[in-house]
This record gives sequence, structure tokens and C-alpha cells, in this order.
Amino acid sequence: AQRVTQPEKLLSVFKGAPVELKCNYSYSGSPELFWYVQYSRQRLQLLLRHISRESIKGFTADLNKGETSFHLKKPFAQEEDSAMYYCALSGTSGTYKYIFGTGTRLKVLA
Amino acid sequence: GAGVSQTPSNKVTEKGKYVELRCDPISGHTALYWYRQSLGQGPEFLIYFQGTGAADDSGLPNDRFFAVRPEGSVSTLKIQRTERGDSAVYLCASSLRGTNQETQYFGPGTRLLVL
Repeated sequence: AQRVTQPEKLLSVFKGAPVELKCNYSYSGSPELFWYVQYSRQRLQLLLRHISRESIKGFTADLNKGETSFHLKKPFAQEEDSAMYYCALSGTSGTYKYIFGTGTRLKVLA
Repeated sequence: GAGVSQTPSNKVTEKGKYVELRCDPISGHTALYWYRQSLGQGPEFLIYFQGTGAADDSGLPNDRFFAVRPEGSVSTLKIQRTERGDSAVYLCASSLRGTNQETQYFGPGTRLLVL
């Protein structure tokens, strides 16, 4: 079955501390992985995708096919990082619809 | 340019009524997706359009749900005989061609409340 698991509903860290938001997936094939973010009262927007291998707002994510994980990391959290984060996968054939995890709310405390 | 827009932003209706939710994708985007997000959950796929045709409607929960995209641009999601369980945020997204490497751009959503 195709599934994305985000085990933490809420993650609270202090400003300046490292952050790691976990994402594991189940998919028979090599999917494309994405992280989307939703700031308060804003729409869902792309944060980064594994194919781009880029760092956005200091965040990075490495696809680990052996562990089927795509964890999101940032070395020093900032208050403006507080938001809802969703991990999503898109398959390699068919309609490329997204399968989302249930999301993790990140709270960065001053 | 303008992003994906959705109307109305909020809709309150009574059980058993019919509702229509509208999505205006980014101009030139041929792929359009509808998702539904219930409280505490991630968005769940409903239906995908490539141009005017519904290429995948496997996510529609039952035959009360229907969607159209007659001219390959604006799409309307239609829900008949609404039930309280239909209450959710309905999201629309579009992408340029509908490949797995493309970013999907989301609208602000329509919050539907069925009383």
C-alpha cells in the first residue's frame, strides 16, 4: 500500500536548536518526495522536493531509499519556521497524485 | 501572476442540500487536482483532470461527488445530498502538465460545513 507516515503531530523546539521532522513512506517503486508547508492563515506551498536537492530557508531533506525516509532538517530553528509541515509522495506512473502524511506542527519557542 | 483561486472560501449548508465548489487554476496549467482535508489529517486525493477529462476519479468517496472541467480551465466539484461527514476543507491544485516531478500549486481551499 502507498502510505506516508509522519509520526509526530507536534514538535516543539527552542529558537536556535536543530530541527528534524520525520517522514517515512511506503511505495513499490521510486517515488518523488516533497515537503509542503502551511504557515498560519496561508495556503499550502512547496518547501522543497528531493529531485531539486536544494536548501530552502535553511531546510534540507535527504531521500534514504534503504530506510524509505525523507526527513526534513534545519540546523538552527527560527521563530518564523513555526508552521504545519506535510510530507508527500508522487508516484512514478499514472496520475501523479500526491499522497500526504498527516502533518507535523512545528512550534519554535523564543 | 495570479495563483490558484477557489470560491467560496467558506460554505455552510444543511444536511441533504446540494453544493458546488469552484476552482480557478493557474492560467495554462493543464493538470488540475481536487483534494479533501479533514480535521487533523493531511489532504486526500479526490480526482484529477488532464485538460477537460477526468483522468483519475478513484478518490471520490461515492457517487454523491462529481466534478467537471468543461473547457479545460475552471473546475467545479459538486456534492449532492450532503452529509455531516462531508464537512472538510476542499483543496484544489494545478500543475503545468501533470508529471510527477512538477510542483502542484494549491489554492486557499473551501471550508465546507454541513449542519
